[in-house]
Amino acid sequence: ETGVTQTPRHLVMGMTNKKSLKCEQHLGHNAMYWYKQSAKKPLELMFVYSLEERVENNSVPSRFSPECPNSSHLFLHLHTLQPEDSALYLCASSPQLPGQPDSGANVLTFGAGSRLTVL
Amino acid sequence: GDSVTQMEGPVTLSEEAFLTINCTYTATGYPSLFWYVQYPGEGLQLLLKATKADDKGSNKGFEATYRKETTSFHLEKGSVQVSDSAVYFCALSDSGGGADGLTFGKGTHLIIQP
Repeated sequence: ETGVTQTPRHLVMGMTNKKSLKCEQHLGHNAMYWYKQSAKKPLELMFVYSLEERVENNSVPSRFSPECPNSSHLFLHLHTLQPEDSALYLCASSPQLPGQPDSGANVLTFGAGSRLTVL
Repeated sequence: GDSVTQMEGPVTLSEEAFLTINCTYTATGYPSLFWYVQYPGEGLQLLLKATKADDKGSNKGFEATYRKETTSFHLEKGSVQVSDSAVYFCALSDSGGGADGLTFGKGTHLIIQP
């Protein structure tokens, strides 16, 4: 299997549930990202991992907890979410490490997303 | 901070029409510019990119030219097809270092009618 794979594709959860989103990349990339896509808003960068180390946390509420056990896997643990957290959560990976020279030309490869609905 | 502004949609065109989707940006330094496309039920795919002023990115009949003087990166295609119906995102990556996640616009939903 190649590319970036996200599971589950769809998730419905109550506000008191605990669930996790999973992302897996088979591209040998060194950096992984979580984005949130809401209707009529720009994609919001949530977290960036470089070689399994978190390098960016864009003021994301603590009810979202990322985990990167190795360079191929990225999780987003969800706990006591709110209805406004309903969105499409996109995972991406890139070959270059953030902050390196020419990393501005970094091309991200995205997964198909996990559609989350919080009731 | 960095930002990307693109025209609001949806944009509805007939097949074989000429397409322009406007994109302007604000950034420090010298960003790289991208267009991504999202087909229904899928993630974002890179359509084209340009890394310096006056560069032209092109792919699948789409083109965009990096215009530093107008801080723009408008997407064009001479003759659109029904299969081009999708959401198009303009994005930038600031070359100033740090965590280089992309900054995206809100997306433009393109609908091509037969």
